[in-house]
Amino acid sequence: AQKITQTQPGMFVQEKEAVTLDCTYDTSDPSYGLFWYKQPSSGEMIFLIYQGSYDQQNATEGRYSLNFQKARKSANLVISASQLGDSAMYFCAMPGGGSNYKLTFGKGTLLTVNP
Amino acid sequence: NAGVMQNPRHLVRRRGQEARLRCSPMKGHSHVYWYRQLPEEGLKFMVYLQKENIIDESGMPKERFSAEFPKEGPSILRIQQVVRGDSAAYFCASSPATETQYFGPGTRLLVL
Repeated sequence: AQKITQTQPGMFVQEKEAVTLDCTYDTSDPSYGLFWYKQPSSGEMIFLIYQGSYDQQNATEGRYSLNFQKARKSANLVISASQLGDSAMYFCAMPGGGSNYKLTFGKGTLLTVNP
Repeated sequence: NAGVMQNPRHLVRRRGQEARLRCSPMKGHSHVYWYRQLPEEGLKFMVYLQKENIIDESGMPKERFSAEFPKEGPSILRIQQVVRGDSAAYFCASSPATETQYFGPGTRLLVL
């Protein structure tokens, strides 16, 4: 079964600095994808970025990028030039359970951006 | 293009009552998923539906919980005879196929 581990319960970063949120995974599937979602205090889940295991380059979406290291089974999210609005819970997720739709989520990292 | 819509956003029920949670997927999306989030946890998969079909309900509790996605109208997650342990945030997601899932704002259920 897939397993997602986010080892940082909380992280702090100064505004305008970059921050890396860790995510490691365990899967026996030869092909898989990793997702990152943001959950602000208002509660909604916002899709940020996706990386497929066979993608040649690390995914990038605006200020978000994935530091994908397949051999280490890690898919860390990098947020550049942090903004106060980035303060939120961040979840790493991947499909599992023999499906390509049943997302398994990590426990999340609470990011706080300080002014 | 409206996103995934869920209502109500907050629902309070007394033990033993029924809870009905509604989800309207994004336009053009025919795949709907329901997840539950307990306090300070990640989301847990409950059920996957397409129009008029339950594809995978492996994450649904065996009793009291049911889901449907009729030909017309929103998807419904129904919880009968709610108990305090059902208090959670329930999220619906949709996708055009089995790819990136876009989530709604969630329904926070509180059972008194």
